[in-house]
Amino acid sequence: AQSVAQPEDQVNVAEGNPLTVKCTYSVSGNPYLFWYVQYPNRGLQFLLKYITGDNLVKGSYGFEAEFNKSQTSFHLKKPSALVSDSALYFCAVRDGPGGSYIPTFGRGTSLIVHP
Amino acid sequence: DTGVSQDPRHKITKRGQNVTFRCDPISEHNRLYWYRQTLGQGPEFLTYFQNEAQLEKSRLLSDRFSAERPKGSFSTLEIQRTEQGDSAMYLCASSQDRRETQYFGPGTRLLVL
Repeated sequence: AQSVAQPEDQVNVAEGNPLTVKCTYSVSGNPYLFWYVQYPNRGLQFLLKYITGDNLVKGSYGFEAEFNKSQTSFHLKKPSALVSDSALYFCAVRDGPGGSYIPTFGRGTSLIVHP
Repeated sequence: DTGVSQDPRHKITKRGQNVTFRCDPISEHNRLYWYRQTLGQGPEFLTYFQNEAQLEKSRLLSDRFSAERPKGSFSTLEIQRTEQGDSAMYLCASSQDRRETQYFGPGTRLLVL
């Protein structure tokens, strides 16, 4: 079985400061990991993914995420937050080759960037 | 627009009525997925299609729910005899194959009164 945990319901950060949104996962095989962002009353927008290769993945809008196999984590980061980054962020995991390829999503973390 | 589209965006219905939602995937994508999202939760998988074949269904998909994807293009999700617990955002996503990233539509928000 696969699962993902986003331990923080809400993250508050001042504009211009670095931000981190945490995600930990559990899968039986090699993980495929994803981050999505959701704005109010909208669908999910893809930000970035880790399949294999470099542990640091760069994505859209200046976001990046670091895969840490020993800590089973895939935290989302951005060096300098913008007010427009305020949204709901979802981490998702699925089993890699041989797995079901259906992702499991976390409950989401609300990011609030204060001016 | 080459993204995933869903129709309608909002639907209000009375308990016991039937509703149908439509999803148009990205044109070259052969996999199509339906999810349900309730307040404070992430999307929960309902079912998916590869071309016109429905390959997997979640136990969340009760017998009041049915999904089709005729000719492997658009898909419909029908809920019969709606219940208040069906109130949620219904999301559609598509991918080029099972290894690729899923891209989501804007969702259909259903309110059952």
